[in-house]
Amino acid sequence: KAGVTQTPRYLIKTRGQQVTLSCSPISGHRSVSWYQQTPGQGLQFLFEYFSETQRNKGNFPGRFSGRQFSNSRSEMNVSTLELGDSALYLCASSLLPGQNTEAFFGQGTRLTVV
Amino acid sequence: EDQVTQSPEALRLQEGESSSLNCSYTVSGLRGLFWYRQDPGKGPEFLFTLYSAGEEKEKERLKATLTKKESFLHITAPKPEDSATYLCAVQAGNTDKLIFGTGTRLQVFP
Repeated sequence: KAGVTQTPRYLIKTRGQQVTLSCSPISGHRSVSWYQQTPGQGLQFLFEYFSETQRNKGNFPGRFSGRQFSNSRSEMNVSTLELGDSALYLCASSLLPGQNTEAFFGQGTRLTVV
Repeated sequence: EDQVTQSPEALRLQEGESSSLNCSYTVSGLRGLFWYRQDPGKGPEFLFTLYSAGEEKEKERLKATLTKKESFLHITAPKPEDSATYLCAVQAGNTDKLIFGTGTRLQVFP
């Protein structure tokens, strides 16, 4: 059974550009969450999607957005990139929301903003 | 505000030297406490979920326990391959988001 797949693995972007990251959850999993990991802040929750709807959102500016498709795949977009957006972006999938099931993470996308 | 604190930040152990990692939490309505292992450049790997005080779970050299205010990850006779960052996270209230601690970086030397 394939795990959570995130693409691309690495990205280098320039300040002011925008970027789109992709996440394919484990087959059968319908809930997808996104996290930002930096050395200083650790893992911070960005947002969570289920059935193409955003269920929860963390404390990030509106430049960070996401969506989920009918096949449960999810994308997140960051517009007007800033140097501080450099981080490892992680996607986690779980079976259903609102249930005590484990969340499994992908390998992440390492974004570097120069 | 919901908060998770892990200690120590870093731990160096000799192979075979058992120890414990601590995760203390302050949350409203704990639904679950999760332990993950993360290797450099990789995503967190799920280890355990604990749901109620008194619960314990084991996997190879690892054992996780939970009280009403904290969780411990006990490592018995660690090996160098146990070297990694161990992350603790909680789910609270009616949201599925995970609130993470900053992790304990474990190094085990032969």
